[in-house]
Amino acid sequence: EADIYQTPRYLVIGTGKKITLECSQTMGHDKMYWYQQDPGMELHLIHYSYGVNSTEKGDLSSESTVSRIRTEHFPLTLESARPSHTSQYLCASRATGIGGEQYFGPGTRLTVT
Amino acid sequence: GENVEQHPSTLSVQEGDSAVIKCTYSDSASNYFPWYKQELGKRPQLIIDIRSNVGEKKDQRIAVTLNKTAKHFSLHITETQPEDSAVYFCAASGGSNYKLTFGKGTLLTVNP
Repeated sequence: EADIYQTPRYLVIGTGKKITLECSQTMGHDKMYWYQQDPGMELHLIHYSYGVNSTEKGDLSSESTVSRIRTEHFPLTLESARPSHTSQYLCASRATGIGGEQYFGPGTRLTVT
Repeated sequence: GENVEQHPSTLSVQEGDSAVIKCTYSDSASNYFPWYKQELGKRPQLIIDIRSNVGEKKDQRIAVTLNKTAKHFSLHITETQPEDSAVYFCAASGGSNYKLTFGKGTLLTVNP
């Protein structure tokens, strides 16, 4: 079934650790996005990509980095996690063309102790 | 860039009443306006969208209206039910901009 997958779903790590949040989609979408969201709050765009080897920073400053080596894969990396990074991270992808529907993954809930 | 404002931030209604959430946008080039519903602990899901060549769209109890001149669009939910309780987000995008700009969300509570 075409969908967006995120792993892990929950992660508790200590300060200073390097982590990578995985996002994969089987929808064939060129456009992919990462959002940071505290529960029930605003969706903050932190990174996006319009295709392979294309990545841009979003509207919210983030200490994370992303890569897009394959169309279906858009991982997000935190080199040194801090308690301020505690949040939910949502991956999304969007169909090509004006007005294409955007789909969200189930999210990764990150806690940095 | 685009700026989307959403009101109200919280809305409480009695079951069976109607609920209206309003959004305004700033970029006249925007031509796509989706609405997302996010239940507690779940991912946002698209419930309805409208493109700029249409003034109104309905899907059962949900409708969206768009006023391009005034640059605002609204979500209307009729005959609300407790399962409509969630956070609702409006968004806008258009032109060569494939990013959705989201409003800050409305927490809708439907009281039985």
